[in-house]
Amino acid sequence: DAKTTQPNSMESNEEEPVHLPCNHSTISGTDYIHWYRQLPSQGPEYVIHGLTSNVNNRMASLAIAEDRKSSTLILHRATLRDAAVYYCILRDYQGAQKLVFGQGTRLTINP
Amino acid sequence: NAGVTQTPKFRILKIGQSMTLQCTQDMNHNYMYWYRQDPGMGLKLIYYSVGAGITDKGEVPNGYNVSRSTTEDFPLRLELAAPSQTSVYFCATLPGLGWETQYFGPGTRLLVL
Repeated sequence: DAKTTQPNSMESNEEEPVHLPCNHSTISGTDYIHWYRQLPSQGPEYVIHGLTSNVNNRMASLAIAEDRKSSTLILHRATLRDAAVYYCILRDYQGAQKLVFGQGTRLTINP
Repeated sequence: NAGVTQTPKFRILKIGQSMTLQCTQDMNHNYMYWYRQDPGMGLKLIYYSVGAGITDKGEVPNGYNVSRSTTEDFPLRLELAAPSQTSVYFCATLPGLGWETQYFGPGTRLLVL
């Protein structure tokens, strides 16, 4: 499984945008970029995913580099409820559809 | 629609005891997964199933067994508990091949002393 690299932790202020980076230099052509987040004492929850183009949904935006070797999850206006560990995961849609989790980025939001 | 439910929420086991962690889903999803999460770490896949009667090993299967006799249930069995199995266990589901989102249960916290 291709590997991703994320900063261990980041900090931001409430109501400000947050950009969470992810490097995936060994990504293959069939890997989708998925983001999950894990709120304290909960199971992970899906945030967003993409293949080549930038993506938006109600939770976040995903900006994917042209060479696909990096991506950025963007939270447009962070709230205290966005404090979580964010995981960037490469997923091939063939076979068992497994998710391979790294250590993720722990995001702290200051009031 | 309860989604993914896991029981128990928390359990303390003595070394050498056995137990079964229950996972039930009411979404008729074909794929089910068991992960474990050690403190400060990401999740690691223990076992998975792509449908009733079909199971396969993940990254860290040693010390665990699973079965999938129905679409709804995917129990995880610990036969001889060891301190190294102290962890939080998450069950997850996926509708099927090509779907994007895995749905996770709330987790079972297990302490082996």
